[in-house]
Parts: sequence; C-alpha cells; structure tokens
Amino acid sequence: AQKITQTQPGMFVQEKEAVTLDCTYDTSDQSYGLFWYKQPSSGEMIFLIYQGSYDEQNATEGRYSLNFQKARKSANLVISASQLGDSAMYFCAMRDDADGLTFGKGTHLIIQP
Amino acid sequence: EAGVTQSPTHLIKTRGQQATLRCSPISGHTSVYWYQQALGLGLQFLLWYDEGEERNRGNFPPRFSGRQFPNYSSELNVNALELEDSALYLCASSFRTGDAGYTFGSGTRLTVV
Repeated sequence: AQKITQTQPGMFVQEKEAVTLDCTYDTSDQSYGLFWYKQPSSGEMIFLIYQGSYDEQNATEGRYSLNFQKARKSANLVISASQLGDSAMYFCAMRDDADGLTFGKGTHLIIQP
Repeated sequence: EAGVTQSPTHLIKTRGQQATLRCSPISGHTSVYWYQQALGLGLQFLLWYDEGEERNRGNFPPRFSGRQFPNYSSELNVNALELEDSALYLCASSFRTGDAGYTFGSGTRLTVV
C-alpha cells in the first residue's frame, strides 16, 4: 500500500520568503507520479506541479519547484518569493493505477505580511 | 474548456436519508474519482469509475455507491446518512492512461443533521 507523509501540519512564513513543504512517500511501485495540490479556503483543489518517477529533472512551474530525491523517497515543494495569496492547505499526492491518488494529510501554510 | 463541474454545491440532509451528488468530467476524460474530505482531514479515496465500470473503491461501507453514465458523468449515492458523513466530497477526472493530470471540481459540501 502506498503512503504519503507530510510532517508539517502548519507553517508561518514571511511574505517574499521562500518556503519548503515536506513530503515523503512509500511505495513498492517502480513507476509512479507525485503531485502537489493547493486547496484555498473555498475548497477546490488546484493542481500545482507533477513529477514522474522516471523524470531526471526536477519539475518546475513558475514559482513552484519540486525537489525530488528518489533515493530518500522525498518530493518537497518549494515556493519561491511567497505571496499572501499562497496562504492555503497544500497536499502532496501519489498516483498509482489502482487507487487514483493517495493524499497526505496536508500542510496549512500561512503567509504573513 | 469547461472544468469539472459538481452539483449541488451544498446539500443538507437529515440522518437516515439518502444523498445524491453529481459530477461532470472534463470533455475527453473517461475516468472519474470521488474523494471524501472530512473537516480538517486529508482526502480519502472513495471510488474510481472508468468507461462506465467501477474500477476500485476505498475503505468505505457499501452504503457509499455510485455509477458512471455513457457520457462519463457520474453520481455518488450515500444511503442511510450518518452524522459522520458530513464532509466535502470532491470529484476529479482524468484520461484513463498515460496522462498525469487530475482535474478537480469545487466539491459538494454535505451536511448531515
């Protein structure tokens, strides 16, 4: 069975600072995909970034980058130059063919002015 | 392109009643996934439908059921509602294989009183 662990229930970060959200995973699959989603208070899940297990380069999408360390089974999300609008819940998730997505418990990120 | 649409946005039911939630996937997506997000918790996988068939279900009792229609839209039915069923129910859609993207709807907030 797959498992996603997010060890930071909440984080406070000053505006304009970079922030790293931790995610570790456990799977016996050789091929898998890792996702990060943002969930504002309104409830919708917003896709941020994806990393395939065979991708050699770390994924980047604008201010978001994924620090993928396969040997350590970690897939941390890095947000550069944080903004007030980044305040939200952030979920790390993993895909397999059987279950769709397995999610971590999330990190509540609060950006302070 | 229209996103994943869910209806209703809010639903209030009394204990013991039945609830029906609906989801329309993105055009071209054949897979629909249902997740339950209880207050303050992460997303728990409920059901996965693809090409009209139930492909997998999470660890939920049989009173959680659903179906997928020929146009790939989906219904989630919850029978004999319990207070603990109060949650945000999120639907996501994707292509069946070879695609990394899952697009979520805005959810249906079910309250059982």
